[in-house]
Amino acid sequence: NAGVMQNPRHLVRRRGQEARLRCSPMKGHSHVYWYRQLPEEGLKFMVYLQKENIIDESGMPKERFSAEFPKEGPSILRIQQVVRGDSAAYFCASSGQGYTDTQYFGPGTRLTVL
Amino acid sequence: AQSVTQLDSHVSVSEGTPVLLRCNYSSSYSPSLFWYVQHPNKGLQLLLKYTSAATLVKGINGFEAEFKKSETSFHLTKPSAHMSDAAEYFCVVNPTFGNEKLTFGTGTRLTIIP
Repeated sequence: NAGVMQNPRHLVRRRGQEARLRCSPMKGHSHVYWYRQLPEEGLKFMVYLQKENIIDESGMPKERFSAEFPKEGPSILRIQQVVRGDSAAYFCASSGQGYTDTQYFGPGTRLTVL
Repeated sequence: AQSVTQLDSHVSVSEGTPVLLRCNYSSSYSPSLFWYVQHPNKGLQLLLKYTSAATLVKGINGFEAEFKKSETSFHLTKPSAHMSDAAEYFCVVNPTFGNEKLTFGTGTRLTIIP
């Protein structure tokens, strides 16, 4: 019974490159959430998706960030033209229902921008 | 709107002594409350959750938390600390309905002194 899976676990990019983070939800879960954790801070909500739909992206920066959850395959968080301030841990969570259901977290992707 | 305050950013206890991590919340509705633990460079693991059933909630690894509506608190306790308990702990408010997001406290870093 695999939990939430994220890859890569560590990602290093130079400024201006693209970062692509993947998340496979727990089996049977169709709701995916992305969070960002800056050093010494708690997690901050970024976006909530269901299959082929963005439900809430109120926490996403307006530029350079996008997310998708296609009908087949993992959810992808894409950061274009990365800057040093994007260095953080990005966590994905999934749930069987919406906001009110318990969310289970993946191990995270630690992005370092050089 | 909902919010959560973790009253201590760092807590140090000796091995074998009790642990108390404090959390206060505010919510327009009766919330669900969670404690998650994050070990260094790891993802978040669900310790326990309160969802309006029993006010004393037992979790994994000997942790428990008591929901006190009159004090708007959800403090995490453990009778006897173990070295493996050293980690970051997050108190989290989950909406019971509506479009509020999962809201994280800023975390409490627990250090265990041998």
